[in-house]
Amino acid sequence: QKEVEQNSGPLSVPEGAIASLNCTYSDRVSQSFFWYRQYSGKSPELIMSIYSNGDKEDGRFTAQLNKASQYVSLLIRDSQPSDSATYLCATLNQAGTALIFGKGTTLSVSS
Amino acid sequence: EPEVTQTPSHQVTQMGQEVILRCVPISNHLYFYWYRQILGQKVEFLVSFYNNEISEKSEIFDDQFSVERPDGSNFTLKIRSTKLEDSAMYFCASSEVAGVPSYEQYFGPGTRLTVT
Repeated sequence: QKEVEQNSGPLSVPEGAIASLNCTYSDRVSQSFFWYRQYSGKSPELIMSIYSNGDKEDGRFTAQLNKASQYVSLLIRDSQPSDSATYLCATLNQAGTALIFGKGTTLSVSS
Repeated sequence: EPEVTQTPSHQVTQMGQEVILRCVPISNHLYFYWYRQILGQKVEFLVSFYNNEISEKSEIFDDQFSVERPDGSNFTLKIRSTKLEDSAMYFCASSEVAGVPSYEQYFGPGTRLTVT
């Protein structure tokens, strides 16, 4: 049974700082990882996907994957108050047909 | 930008009643999913659907639940004999492909189901 673990937070950063969100996973064969943002009472919104070791950048967001350490992270540069949300880490199940989510990390960006 | 839509946004029902939650996936997507999120808990997979049949289901998705694609655009989740513990947000999602690393799932806005 795959597990995805996240620190629930809250993680508090000042506006303009770098927010670092971390995720570990239990199944060494996992290949695909996704970061979703979820505002309170809303649905998950896909931010980034990453499949290869290393970094992947998209605007202010950088996803980092280290398969040897079974570790995925999301960096948010120049954090804005509008980034305040819960960030969900997810991976695929064995068949690749379902997402397995972590509990999410709550980020609070203060102005 | 294409998006997944869901109706209703909020459904209140009495225990023991049947509810149908509706979803319109993104038009060129072939795989459809239902997830649920009980308040304060993680998002949980219920079922995936492809080519008019269930491709995978979780332990949660027992005989109380069923899914259907009644026409070319809608995808529905039926919950029979609802229980208090079925109260949750139900999300529909869709993806172009599945089973390969590069697929991505896009979520609808959700239906909040309240069972009283």
